[in-house]
Parts: sequence; structure tokens; C-alpha cells
Amino acid sequence: SAVISQKPSRDICQRGTSLTIQCQVDSQVTMMFWYRQQPGQSLTLIATANQGSEATYESGFVIDKFPISRPNLTFSTLTVSNMSPEDSSIYLCSVETGQGVENTEAFFGQGTRLTVV
Amino acid sequence: LAKTTQPISMDSYEGQEVNITCSHNNIATNDYITWYQQFPSQGPRFIIQGYKTKVTNEVASLFIPADRKSSTLSLPRVSLSDTAVYYCLVGDITGGFKTIFGAGTRLFVKA
Repeated sequence: SAVISQKPSRDICQRGTSLTIQCQVDSQVTMMFWYRQQPGQSLTLIATANQGSEATYESGFVIDKFPISRPNLTFSTLTVSNMSPEDSSIYLCSVETGQGVENTEAFFGQGTRLTVV
Repeated sequence: LAKTTQPISMDSYEGQEVNITCSHNNIATNDYITWYQQFPSQGPRFIIQGYKTKVTNEVASLFIPADRKSSTLSLPRVSLSDTAVYYCLVGDITGGFKTIFGAGTRLFVKA
């Protein structure tokens, strides 16, 4: 299993500013994932963060808008840059652990609820 | 990654068994089927995972027919606290699995 701590849990930010979200895991993991969940919607994968290399972004997400750091195997940050009200959402950090092929599961942080005004 | 289709919402009453079916017609040979549960203001939580036939744990059962083109999550005797969104995911879990979420099924359990 894995325990994930995200900070901050929520924030209200002015448009045009940036917010950095931190994700700390209690064990070393190879890949960490960042998701966005807009109100009433499902989760959308933003990017995969690998230690020692650049993050891999999904279609529709770019590094300039969502820069990611992965300095070690237990920590990652996601920055939401030059925010607009459309960026208001919940941002979640996730890791996957498993034992071999079966019982691979994803663990999620509690999320960061971002409101841009 | 195989696309999944689930009912948008379901209603049930306390004490009933709830079955949520997920269609995944394009499932690949190496794909596993995983279900997650999400309560409001929380991240998703793993419920159950399977490859074929039937899997049961302390929370739920997962039924997968021989052709694996669908799967059914079965929740026995639901309570009000089972009201949540349930996501069906299909993917190759070996060597790093990118968890991609579909729309999910909103289950409402009534008293």
C-alpha cells in the first residue's frame, strides 16, 4: 500500500498567478501521476512523472502550463501556471503499487481543491 | 487502452445487492479489469481487480464472462455509505499501468 499526502488541500488564487501542489509518498515509487477532476466529472490524467526524466504529458496538457518536478522517488510537484477560472478543479496525485502482475492498484491523495477568482 | 462503457447512474435501497456492468468490447489479451470507488471530496479507492471468471474480496465480487468483453461489479447488501461513484478501468497492469478513468457510475443508495 501507499499513503499519499498532498499540500495544500485547498486554495483560492487570483487569476494570472501560479500554484505549486506538493505530493509526498511514504514509499519509493517509480511513477507518479497527476490528475485533474473538474466538478461533477471523472478524472483526467495530466501527466506521468518519472524520477530522473521529464514528465510525459497527455494530449491537451503542456509543460508550460503544468510544469512538474520529480526530484526523488517519494516526492513530486505540479504547478498550475498563469491560472484562469477554467483551471478551477481538484488536482490529485497518484501512485501505483503492486506485487507482480496481479493486485496492481493505484493510490490517490486527498486532492487539492483549487478555485481561481 | 480499451474503452469502457458504464451506466451513468443507478439507484438502490439499503440491504439490496447492486450489480454494475461495464462493457469493454476491445479488451486486449494482457488487460486486467479494475474497479475503483470514489466518495465526494476524496480520491478514488481500489475495490477489486480481475482477469477472468470470478474474483471475490471482503468488499465486492467481480464477474467476468469467458469472452471478457464485459464485467459486473457486485456489491452485496449495500448501505447508505456505499453511495459513491464507481469506475471500471481496463488496461495492461504489467510494467507500469497508466490508470485512465471513464465516466463512472454514480450509485445512490436510499434508506
